[in-house]
Amino acid sequence: DGGITQSPKYLFRKEGQNVTLSCEQNLNHDAMYWYRQDPGQGLRLIYYSQIVNDFQKGDIAEGYSVSREKKESFPLTVTSAQKNPTAFYLCASREGTGRTDTQYFGPGTRLTVL
Amino acid sequence: AQSVTQPDIHITVSEGASLELRCNYSYGATPYLFWYVQSPGQGLQLLLKYFSGDTLVQGIKGFEAEFKRSQSSFNLRKPSVHWSDAAEYFCAVAPWGSGYSTLTFGKGTMLLVSP
Repeated sequence: DGGITQSPKYLFRKEGQNVTLSCEQNLNHDAMYWYRQDPGQGLRLIYYSQIVNDFQKGDIAEGYSVSREKKESFPLTVTSAQKNPTAFYLCASREGTGRTDTQYFGPGTRLTVL
Repeated sequence: AQSVTQPDIHITVSEGASLELRCNYSYGATPYLFWYVQSPGQGLQLLLKYFSGDTLVQGIKGFEAEFKRSQSSFNLRKPSVHWSDAAEYFCAVAPWGSGYSTLTFGKGTMLLVSP
């Protein structure tokens, strides 16, 4: 089954702790993305990567970090510097840079800071 | 920079009635336009997309959208709503070009379907 998997589905973290969210895709897509979703705010771009070993900051990158060591994996670390990390996090991938390419989304991870 | 406005935060429609969700964009040229749907606690699913050509675009689940350049709009329509259509709907825009890299999303419209 081809697709994007995110784990875990629910994640709880204590204040001051770093936590890493997993995103894996077996679609052989080049580009991968991380979005944050808050109620009434739509989706906001955190980081994206168009190729292995390269990534760019999105609109709200402060307090987050990423790596792209493998084509199929794009983990997101939420650091203790992120002031309000409780949110729903969505990972997406896109097959290339062609103008008709589409972003496909994973099922999401809900992070709650206790 | 491009932006997207979805004027309606919530819409309630009776089952079987027609639906129109509004989307307006701000961009200097013709952008690429998308509609996604999200069920509670789930990821987003693409309904349809517009790149060029025919301004009336057909999508999955009986949805269609019409691109109107003069109004900078890309409204989503369905002739008869089913209870399973209750979800949140997002309009998104990407800048025109051969290799767009990112999407800009609207804040979403929550569709409620009454019996």
